[in-house]
Amino acid sequence: GENVEQHPSTLSVQEGDSAVIKCTYSDSASNYFPWYKQELGKRPQLIIDIRSNVGEKKDQRIAVTLNKTAKHFSLHITETQPEDSAVYFCAASKGHNDMRFGAGTRLTVKP
Amino acid sequence: EAQVTQNPRYLITVTGKKLTVTCSQNMNHEYMSWYRQDPGLGLRQIYYSMNVEVTDKGDVPEGYKVSRKEKRNFPLILESPSPNQTSLYFCASSPGTGLYSPLHFGNGTRLTVT
Repeated sequence: GENVEQHPSTLSVQEGDSAVIKCTYSDSASNYFPWYKQELGKRPQLIIDIRSNVGEKKDQRIAVTLNKTAKHFSLHITETQPEDSAVYFCAASKGHNDMRFGAGTRLTVKP
Repeated sequence: EAQVTQNPRYLITVTGKKLTVTCSQNMNHEYMSWYRQDPGLGLRQIYYSMNVEVTDKGDVPEGYKVSRKEKRNFPLILESPSPNQTSLYFCASSPGTGLYSPLHFGNGTRLTVT
């Protein structure tokens, strides 16, 4: 089955800097890659996703890139703000019943 | 307000005492699932349901049961809880069973089994 690895497990940046979180997956048939943000004590919420026929997608300060050949995808957050502090999960999927999540990255943005 | 509602939010119980965590969604979603979240392991799927009366095992189904008798409800049942089931549980739903349908999560249930 699919295996998703996520790095780093913790990341601390200064406000205004960029943050990058990387994930690799094992199943070349996976073709959907969502990212979820989980603030302390709250539910995971979808922040951005990318499909396998797209190499990059942007939404304001957030972008995701996908390299299908290398089987890795990354989340980029620019101009980080304290409210970006949260745990971020990547996932890879061929279908809902097949979705596998990474272990999570705890991002801390220092004011 | 469109939402996925889980109850209870917190639950402390003892080994072997049957319990049920309820999950209800008001968005008429076809797909529902249960996940457990443990430190360093991310979210792991326990069971999922593609529609009413259709359920199937996820990655970690041992010790759990579910039912989907009506579209809005998807309870998680622990017949004989054990300490290794201490975890944070999330119910999720999705508009369809298609690949690109986003998951909507409930607020979570923190379960402690002593």
